[in-house]
Amino acid sequence: DAKTTQPPSMDCAEGRAANLPCNHSTISGNEYVYWYRQIHSQGPQYIIHGLKNNETNEMASLIITEDRKSSTLILPHATLRDTAVYYCIVSGSSNTGKLIFGQGTTLQVKP
Amino acid sequence: DSGVTQTPKHLITATGQRVTLRCSPRSGDLSVYWYQQSLDQGLQFLIQYYNGEERAKGNILERFSAQQFPDLHSELNLSSLELGDSALYFCASSTRLAGGPKENEQFFGPGTRLTVL
Repeated sequence: DAKTTQPPSMDCAEGRAANLPCNHSTISGNEYVYWYRQIHSQGPQYIIHGLKNNETNEMASLIITEDRKSSTLILPHATLRDTAVYYCIVSGSSNTGKLIFGQGTTLQVKP
Repeated sequence: DSGVTQTPKHLITATGQRVTLRCSPRSGDLSVYWYQQSLDQGLQFLIQYYNGEERAKGNILERFSAQQFPDLHSELNLSSLELGDSALYFCASSTRLAGGPKENEQFFGPGTRLTVL
């Protein structure tokens, strides 16, 4: 499995965009990038995923670099409820369904 | 609300005992996954079932077993419990289609917090 590297923690002001980076330099061609978040011991919540094109949904945007070695999750207008641990996961057809969670980034949104 | 339900919410038991955790997936989902989250190990994948059959195994101990029933609910059995088994246990479910990126869009339940004394 491709490994991911995320900063352990980040702060963001309420109402501003939160940009969460993830490095996955060993990603292979058929592996997708997934983002999940976990709000204080609740079950993790799926946010978004992508292969090589940028993706957007009602929760967030995912920007993947052209070489696919890194990506950024963007929460356009962070609120206090977005305070959570954010996990970047790389997964492909060889291990579909088996999510490998790293340490993630703890995002603290401040008023 | 993810649509995945887990019971019980909390469980307190003693070392050496056996417990059963139950999970009901979202309506229509055929895949069920179990994860363990402890303070020192983080979130770890344990096992996956698809339509009643075991499909993938992670770091699941031999003392642990799971099954998925014809109505698609799943149970995780933990036996000969040790202090180190104290953790949050999450169940997740995903699409009826096996394989493909949608299988990694998993919907997690609220978890069962197990405390072994």
